[in-house]
Amino acid sequence: QKEVEQDPGPLSVPEGAIVSLNCTYSNSAFQYFMWYRQYSRKGPELLMYTYSSGNKEDGRFTAQVDKSSKYISLFIRDSQPSDSATYLCAMSRANFGNEKLTFGTGTRLTIIP
Amino acid sequence: SQTIHQWPATLVQPVGSPLSLECTVEGTSNPNLYWYRQAAGRGLQLLFYSVGIGQISSEVPQNLSASRPQDRQFILSSKKLLLSDSGFYLCAWSGLGETQYFGPGTRLLVL
Repeated sequence: QKEVEQDPGPLSVPEGAIVSLNCTYSNSAFQYFMWYRQYSRKGPELLMYTYSSGNKEDGRFTAQVDKSSKYISLFIRDSQPSDSATYLCAMSRANFGNEKLTFGTGTRLTIIP
Repeated sequence: SQTIHQWPATLVQPVGSPLSLECTVEGTSNPNLYWYRQAAGRGLQLLFYSVGIGQISSEVPQNLSASRPQDRQFILSSKKLLLSDSGFYLCAWSGLGETQYFGPGTRLLVL
């Protein structure tokens, strides 16, 4: 069993819809949770960075962490065609500089105009 | 602000040839540096990380090596490329108490 599971998709939704992307994990030691967005042939770009359980909002993006269920989500409101990308979840036990990140395999999202 | 550069952006090399990929970071001092490989459908695989000049930790035994000759420079090398070395190579950096930020990547095709 992988430490982090992420549905690879692909996921297609119409423009303006709310998108929900999810990851589950097995290691209860994970404390820091990240979402990266990766456009085709580009490096991943950090979208959200959260600590422990709870919600964090940034514009149209909301990250949600439920440590009791070992489940994290990224919600995108009013989705735009420019949101079409692969979304990677990542997590770590600590925020020390050399702490390793464990990544999901990514969900490919397409927003249909 | 900090920026991270990788070059070349794309590289096509024959099997058995050497490899040198370079990564540099601007706007920060003493960053932690990382090399990842990304294969389709397999996520990101950490290859090497470095916490300082000359300090390299290897995560996966392989045909590759890494070096950090300067504080903000990280180099990925191979003496003889294999077909299986093809992939998208990503460099990342992190500062104290921060998560990792990625560069634009190098796409390597070994023929």
